[in-house]
Amino acid sequence: GAGVSQTPSNKVTEKGKYVELRCDPISGHTALYWYRQSLGQGPEFLIYFQGTGAADDSGLPNDRFFAVRPEGSVSTLKIQRTERGDSAVYLCASSLGVSGGPGRFFGPGTRLTVL
Amino acid sequence: QQQVKQSPQSLIVQKGGISIINCAYENTAFDYFPWYQQFPGKGPALLIAIRPDVSEKKEGRFTISFNKSAKQFSLHIMDSQPGDSATYFCAALTQGGSEKLVFGKGTKLTVNP
Repeated sequence: GAGVSQTPSNKVTEKGKYVELRCDPISGHTALYWYRQSLGQGPEFLIYFQGTGAADDSGLPNDRFFAVRPEGSVSTLKIQRTERGDSAVYLCASSLGVSGGPGRFFGPGTRLTVL
Repeated sequence: QQQVKQSPQSLIVQKGGISIINCAYENTAFDYFPWYQQFPGKGPALLIAIRPDVSEKKEGRFTISFNKSAKQFSLHIMDSQPGDSATYFCAALTQGGSEKLVFGKGTKLTVNP
């Protein structure tokens, strides 16, 4: 597809469970970002990948959150021991990277609900 | 500490009217200021962006006005249409530095027919 895709679109889980959220960036985009958007709020930065490496993970709220991008394309956000406060829409975005300009293209998000 | 402050939280405008959303920032290192439009159930989509070396940028019905000395910028939507009803976010970034795009809290715009 032409845009950023995210799966699943919705995820309902129980407190304490482990979840994985997937992001497929736009082909050729070297930079990938994860954001979290709570109800009625703007997106909040979590982590930024340039290629395969996490260039900035300062937005991850705690060590229950982890993200990988092993081949420099698809990324997975992993949340361990989920808590009700983790409920939010998790957005992924991609861009051409620092040398390609600042425009970010967002996916539709994964709505995570922790019961 | 909120780095980008956005107002109003919500806005109701009649069709054909002008919608104005304001943002203010503190970090003078910011050098790229985009506006995003978000419809329910969708991700934010880049609408228009400006750099601080210009005071205004216009694309169709959408205009950004930028006041560097006041550290403020605003989005003007001319001839507002019901299809413009969405949530609008201002944002800011330091290019070549931190790649964190910092967002305002959003403005829910409703354009009545």
